[in-house]
Amino acid sequence: DADVTQTPRNRITKTGKRIMLECSQTKGHDRMYWYRQDPGLGLRLIYYSFDVKDINKGEISDGYSVSRQAQAKFSLSLESAIPNQTALYFCATSPGQSYGYTFGSGTRLTVV
Amino acid sequence: QKEVEQNSGPLSVPEGAIASLNCTYSDRVSQSFFWYRQYSGKSPELIMSIYSNGDKEDGRFTAQLNKASQYVSLLIRDSQPSDSATYLCAVNGNNFNKFYFGSGTKLNVKP
Repeated sequence: DADVTQTPRNRITKTGKRIMLECSQTKGHDRMYWYRQDPGLGLRLIYYSFDVKDINKGEISDGYSVSRQAQAKFSLSLESAIPNQTALYFCATSPGQSYGYTFGSGTRLTVV
Repeated sequence: QKEVEQNSGPLSVPEGAIASLNCTYSDRVSQSFFWYRQYSGKSPELIMSIYSNGDKEDGRFTAQLNKASQYVSLLIRDSQPSDSATYLCAVNGNNFNKFYFGSGTKLNVKP
């Protein structure tokens, strides 16, 4: 099994719908992150969390919300999806400040 | 100005050559620097980390850091077609708790 699992892998949804992307990890890392990747723009940070009681906004949090249900689970919600939220979404984990990330396999989201 | 800048490429090199990938960053207090490899349609994979000025070697990969000039580079020796991918540079932000990514350089290694 993958260390960082994202579900679903692909999703097509309609404008205005609420959608949740889920991430779970078996790495035992406290730090979890949500990024989106768009062609030419690279990876941009949406939200990050250092424990279940710690949630922080990233560069582009508008239109998104998150929930850290447990140390191992971090979910991203789009409250009312819009077409410019069409992107590849990655969850990542890290054991600490100076360590690199382990990424999940990504969720390709299309909003029509 | 973006926090992390990379040439988008594509950078084309023949098999067996040295590929040189470069990255500049804007925040002088950054302390941690990483290179990730991302194959098309896949997630980024960490390949190198560097924290101090100078060179760090790991197999065919060498990361180079120059904090005074605010650049970090990745050299891939004896490039192979399997090295064809997009390489992402990541630099930690001024509060050290999150990383900024460049948009990546696409590398093509021709057989």
